Amino acid sequence: EPEVTQTPSHQVTQMGQEVILRCVPISNHLYFYWYRQILGQKVEFLVSFYNNEISEKSEIFDDQFSVERPDGSNFTLKIRSTKLEDSAMYFCASKRGQGIVYEQYFGPGTRLTVT
Amino acid sequence: LAKTTQPISMDSYEGQEVNITCSHNNIATNDYITWYQQFPSQGPRFIIQGYKTKVTNEVASLFIPADRKSSTLSLPRVSLSDTAVYYCLVGDIITGANNLFFGTGTRLTVIP
Repeated sequence: EPEVTQTPSHQVTQMGQEVILRCVPISNHLYFYWYRQILGQKVEFLVSFYNNEISEKSEIFDDQFSVERPDGSNFTLKIRSTKLEDSAMYFCASKRGQGIVYEQYFGPGTRLTVT
Repeated sequence: LAKTTQPISMDSYEGQEVNITCSHNNIATNDYITWYQQFPSQGPRFIIQGYKTKVTNEVASLFIPADRKSSTLSLPRVSLSDTAVYYCLVGDIITGANNLFFGTGTRLTVIP
């Protein structure tokens, strides 16, 4: 069964540093997402991406965040200057088509620790 | 977005059927009901989705009454590996991206 992959599984960085989290969505999927989950809290939507542009973003997704699909397979989340409160699990997801009838497939996540 | 309410936690013994009910009083005509499951340190995983009446797949059943203001996820004969957090979400079938907005979910603990 095809799956979403994410690298690295764990990233430790110092406050103020830039990090790039990488995702490879399922190959024939058209919609891509990033979510995050702070330890012990709920999964929070960050951004959705379709047709090479951002569809929607949450209030969390401020100017420190950016997303990119640099080629036909990768989908990245960049945090320009990390803060302590950015420490969380970051999940990438993708889905094949329009509408909620298409389920979102989540990757295993990247645990980001900002020290 | 329709707000959802579900119990914070539930315990069940192995082999029993578990029913988790979710309230969504403000559900709109175009909204579908979707359930996801999340194991510790993993991403959420789609379980089942429905619009009305009953839907069944190899994992679970979903019961939705006629007024659609609630839904019940039914897990038959749970095992220890079903210990997870279960999320009820309500979303518009028409909107393209369908960003998922998770609540706190129901933490199911299966006891031997």
